[in-house]
Amino acid sequence: DQQVKQNSPSLSVQEGRISILNCDYTNSMFDYFLWYKKYPAEGPTFLISISSIKDKNEDGRFTVFLNKSAKHLSLHIVPSQPGDSAVYFCAAIGRGGSNYKLTFGKGTLLTVNP
Amino acid sequence: DVKVTQSSRYLVKRTGEKVFLECVQDMDHENMFWYRQDPGLGLRLIYFSYDVKMKEKGDIPEGYSVSREKKERFSLILESASTNQTSMYLCASSARKGASFFGPGTRLTVL
Repeated sequence: DQQVKQNSPSLSVQEGRISILNCDYTNSMFDYFLWYKKYPAEGPTFLISISSIKDKNEDGRFTVFLNKSAKHLSLHIVPSQPGDSAVYFCAAIGRGGSNYKLTFGKGTLLTVNP
Repeated sequence: DVKVTQSSRYLVKRTGEKVFLECVQDMDHENMFWYRQDPGLGLRLIYFSYDVKMKEKGDIPEGYSVSREKKERFSLILESASTNQTSMYLCASSARKGASFFGPGTRLTVL
């Protein structure tokens, strides 16, 4: 059973516009969420995270929004740049038990067109 | 900056061979992880370790084993490589609870 879902396998956006990547989760024990970016043939790079006590976290062009009641988070990239083209993974960590283990979604391929 | 290094970027092995993938981190992190990434399947956790000599199975441990004799080093072992283990292997480390930092990956091809 997939606990972290990224329902859009791909997204195409024009340079300068906003990219919105979505992620849903089912496990109410998750309390910390992260986004990673991955280029081909490289390891994922940590982008931004958010704790469940917040509903928004911003870092430069990247903002993550968390809606706990809907069990939904999104990553906004504004403005999008061609160098943002990559696979984006959403991940979650839960309270208790293995609370350092990340559960990943399957990823969304973002293409930013010049 | 956190640095996670993996012993090889590309590896080609034959079916039945024993394969060792090594990972070293320099940030004194307690947790270390091995994932594999396959198209359409995302990152799947093979094994992880939260302390020296401690290990736990992840979601897909079959056909793999691990070793953590020192805090900074976490090895993944394929006892008898098979073609369905052709994949990108990613090592990561993290502090107690926080972001994991990944190595560059090893692209393993089993012929």
